[in-house]
Amino acid sequence: EAEVAQSPRYKITEKSQAVAFWCDPISGHATLYWYRQILGQGPELLVQFQDESVVDDSQLPKDRFSAERLKGVDSTLKIQPAELGDSAMYLCASSLVSYEQYFGPGTRLTVT
Amino acid sequence: ELKVEQNPLFLSMQEGKNYTIYCNYSTTSDRLYWYRQDPGKSLESLFVLLSNGAVKQEGRLMASLDTKARLSTLHITAAVHDLSATYFCAVDISSGNMLTFGGGTRLMVKP
Repeated sequence: EAEVAQSPRYKITEKSQAVAFWCDPISGHATLYWYRQILGQGPELLVQFQDESVVDDSQLPKDRFSAERLKGVDSTLKIQPAELGDSAMYLCASSLVSYEQYFGPGTRLTVT
Repeated sequence: ELKVEQNPLFLSMQEGKNYTIYCNYSTTSDRLYWYRQDPGKSLESLFVLLSNGAVKQEGRLMASLDTKARLSTLHITAAVHDLSATYFCAVDISSGNMLTFGGGTRLMVKP
């Protein structure tokens, strides 16, 4: 069964350092999402891609976060510089257009 | 701004009992999802509800959607320990499939 792949699964970084996460969606899924989930809360959408284009990034803190999906397949989410409040689970999901989203295993980020 | 509220936030129940989790949302939508999340793990899709009056069942779980009341319910029948997890509802109010999640209901089923 096809799955969304994410790496790394865990990341510990120091405050002010740069960190990057990678996501490979299910083959054929044109839509890709990045979510942030703070412990004890529901996921919050950060950015949505349709192929290589950003559909919505209104909740992405653009002063420190960036996301790209250059060839419309895999995607990278970057944080620079990381802050203590960025500690969370970062989830990637993919879907066919306007349909059910499938989530990857997530990257748990700890900022010290 | 869309608000999605779940209650209860925490539910401890005995095996064999029935209970209902509620998901209220503040803006018109006819597309609602239920997900399950085990501790430290990702989200597993349970149900997709796409119209008013939609009802879906899988095993001991049954989900329904009332778009006029802006309410979805997740009913648990004869709970078993394996159902212990956090359950999230998520609402899509756009044609762009952008989900707003509730805060989750943490379910603990005791033997």
